[in-house]
Amino acid sequence: QVQLVQSGAEVKKPGASVKVSCKASGYTFTGYYMHWVRQAPGQGLEWMGWINPNSGGTNYAQKFQGRVTMTRDTSISTAYMELSRLRSDDTAVYYCAREGDSSSQLSFDLWGRGTLVTVSS
Amino acid sequence: DVVMTQSPLSLPVTLGQPASISCRSSQSLVHSDGNTYLNWFQQRPGQSPRRLIYKVSNRDSGVPDRFSGSGSGTDFTLKISRVEAEDVGVYYCMQGTHWPPFTFGPGTKVDIK
Repeated sequence: QVQLVQSGAEVKKPGASVKVSCKASGYTFTGYYMHWVRQAPGQGLEWMGWINPNSGGTNYAQKFQGRVTMTRDTSISTAYMELSRLRSDDTAVYYCAREGDSSSQLSFDLWGRGTLVTVSS
Repeated sequence: DVVMTQSPLSLPVTLGQPASISCRSSQSLVHSDGNTYLNWFQQRPGQSPRRLIYKVSNRDSGVPDRFSGSGSGTDFTLKISRVEAEDVGVYYCMQGTHWPPFTFGPGTKVDIK
C-alpha cells in the first residue's frame, strides 16, 4: 500500500526544536521528491521546502531558512523535518507530501496524515 | 512570490446543484516548458489534503468525473457538476510554476445549504 506514515503529536516549549518523521512505503522512496507543508489551526496551507531523497539535496522556503533542516534515511525510507527555535506561531499540523512523477511533477500526489506540533510554555 | 487568490471564500451549495470556484494568480502560470502547473486540492474536515486536479485539467485517479478543472494564464476554475454530501470541505488551488515557494490560495469552504 502506497502511503506516508508520520510520527505522533509533539508538545514543545518556545525555543526548543522538533523533528518530525515521515516513513514511505509501497513505492521507491528515492524516486520522488518529498515536500513539507504546514497548516496552522484553522488556516491554509504553507509550503516549507523539499528534499530529494536520492541525493539529499534540499530547497527551503525563504521564510524558514536557517530554522528548518530536512534530512532522510534511505535505509528505512524515512524523511525528516526538523524545525528549531520554535515560537508559538509554529503551532501547526505538519504534513509530508510526495511530489508526483514526471507526468504530474511540481504537484503533491500523496500526503501523510499530518503531525500536530504544539508550541506552548 | 506568486500570490494566489480564490473566490468565493465560502460557498454554500444545494445537493445536486453545480458549484464553481475561481482561482487567480498574480502572474502567468505558464512554465518555460510550456506546461501550466496549477493544481487543485480537496481537504475534507479532519483529513489531509488530497489532490484532485493537476496541470489545470488532469483529474487524478479515483476522482469522480463531476470534478473538472479549466483555465489558462492567470485565471482558473474548479467546477463540480453536481455537488454530493462527500464534497464538503475546503478546496485549495496551488501553483508549482514559479518556485520557490510553491504557493496556495486561501481556500474555499464548500458546505451544504
